[in-house]
Order: sequence, then C-alpha cells, then structure tokens
Amino acid sequence: GAVVSQHPSRVICKSGTSVKIECRSLDFQATTMFWYRQFPKKSLMLMATSNEGSKATYEQGVEKDKFLINHASLTLSTLTVTSAHPEDSSFYICSAPAAGQFFGPGTRLTVL
Amino acid sequence: GENVEQHPSTLSVQEGDSAVIKCTYSDSASNYFPWYKQELGKGRQLIIDIRSNVGEKKDQRIAVTLNKTAKHFSLHITETQPEDSAVYFCAGARKSTFGDGTTLTVKP
Repeated sequence: GAVVSQHPSRVICKSGTSVKIECRSLDFQATTMFWYRQFPKKSLMLMATSNEGSKATYEQGVEKDKFLINHASLTLSTLTVTSAHPEDSSFYICSAPAAGQFFGPGTRLTVL
Repeated sequence: GENVEQHPSTLSVQEGDSAVIKCTYSDSASNYFPWYKQELGKGRQLIIDIRSNVGEKKDQRIAVTLNKTAKHFSLHITETQPEDSAVYFCAGARKSTFGDGTTLTVKP
C-alpha cells in the first residue's frame, strides 16, 4: 500500500527557534496533503490543507504565520513551526490521500 | 465543532469470532463515514468507508453499517484472525476529526 513518511520522528528545541517537519509520500504523488495536531488524550485536529503549487488552506484558529506550510513538490510538504513556544509541544501528523487516506507516523515536538 | 465518539476503547475476541466497533457522530450533515486501521509502527490506513446514500457496505470480512437517524456507524469484522489485531479509528467527515481508537486483540 501507499506509504507516507515524516521526518524527524522526534525533535526537541529551545523556545524561539524554528522547527521544520517534512512529510513525504514515498510511492505516490499527492497534490494535497493534510497536517494535523494531536494534544494529549485528544483526537487529531486538522490544522491545514497543503496544496502543491499554491497556498495552504488553514483551519480556523490556526496561525498562518506561525505554522508555515510549503508544498514544494508532488511528494513533499513541509510544516515549519516558527518561534516555537512550549505550548507548541505536541504530536504533529501528516496525511496524503491516495484512493484512501494514508498517514505518516507522526513527529513529536517538544519545546523547552 | 464535530464530535466523534468510539466504543469500546478495547476489544478482545477469540479467533474466528466477530468484532463490532461503534462510532457516534454529532454533525447531522456528515455524508462520509470512514474506518481506518493502524498496526503497530505503521501509518493509519483506510480500510472501508460508506457514503450516506447507502446503509451497508461489505468488503470480504469487513463491513460498515450506517444509521443516520441515530447518527452512528459501525465496523463489523467477521471470522477474525490474529492479523486483524490493530487499533481501529473512525473519523468525522468534514473536519477529519478522529475517534480515540479501539484496540482490537484477536486471540489465537
């Protein structure tokens, strides 16, 4: 089946720094990818829809300038958390549709 | 926002028995009802889905039934096998909200 990878799987950074998370579709192309955030003991919450070749579509309440999304190619979308704060610590997951919805394994971000 | 609740959170069955997982949703405008399977160390994969214009859909040993009046849809796995052991998630349609997952264990 289709595979989506994420890198890194885990990252620890200091407050004020920026962190980039990559989402790759390994054996299929995706014009659209989705970015989610999962808080402890909560369901996944959709943050934004990444569109190849155009601007991302953000869900209400998600800051565009804080969570920069770039869908540079048909197999890669990146999420950059800028000026990270401890409250940005969370589990970030991407997915890409390919006759179904395939999810990456997630990235655990810890901001000190 | 849309709420999706899944029951039970854990389910253990003997090989060959059936397993049923139920998902309730709050958005009456939902028209797409998917179920996902996540095995240990792997991503979440869509296994079956149903649209609101039908009440049941089958694919070999798995089926999904929909009750729009009661706002719930269920995943049915018959003749369970050990490889069916995984975490299963239902999802809401519009905001991609997921249930908290059901851990299914099939005992040989």
